[in-house]
Amino acid sequence: GAGVSQTPSNKVTEKGKYVELRCDPISGHTALYWYRQSLGQGPEFLIYFQGTGAADDSGLPNDRFFAVRPEGSVSTLKIQRTERGDSAMYLCASSLNLAGEQFFGPGTRLTVL
Amino acid sequence: QQQVKQSPQSLIVQKGGISIINCAYENTAFDYFPWYQQFPGKGPALLIAIRPDVSEKKEGRFTISFNKSAKQFSLHIMDSQPGDSATYFCAARRYNNDMRFGAGTRLTVKP
Repeated sequence: GAGVSQTPSNKVTEKGKYVELRCDPISGHTALYWYRQSLGQGPEFLIYFQGTGAADDSGLPNDRFFAVRPEGSVSTLKIQRTERGDSAMYLCASSLNLAGEQFFGPGTRLTVL
Repeated sequence: QQQVKQSPQSLIVQKGGISIINCAYENTAFDYFPWYQQFPGKGPALLIAIRPDVSEKKEGRFTISFNKSAKQFSLHIMDSQPGDSATYFCAARRYNNDMRFGAGTRLTVKP
């Protein structure tokens, strides 16, 4: 079946703008994770969902970042008042359950000018 | 947030050689240790994983060695091939929790 998909693949925005990044998990996967990966670094945990609820959002860097998963499938990562330091690859992963293998999407590369 | 330390940062190996990447962790609550392979422009893909109740796991040319007392684990790639050239990440996870990744090792296998 289809893997995890993320849209857009690339997003260029200006400082101060609002952006939304979308993740479509593998069908039937209840757990969904967001990570941020800076150049030359490993993925850094942001938030994960079990079903519709955020099980742990301790990795969100500040209150400009927010994520939702209203129907327990698609998730949207929202970033308000973007800053140049937000530029990174944003990765989404899903797993069958919280103990399962995480499958990653191709990521959205965000560039804030 | 780095709870997993990975070395070396980069590695160059001749075709047919053995590539070895090392990781160390502090949190004894971690109970799942995967290795991911990432090609440029792609998301990480699971390569092999181990749980702390075993000391070694082998899948094809890839082997994880795990030392629970030292809180260290390593990836060995036997008979390294140019197609193995990628960035490798170790990771660790507590039960039912998020993954913590190392900083990555860029492997180059020369023909």
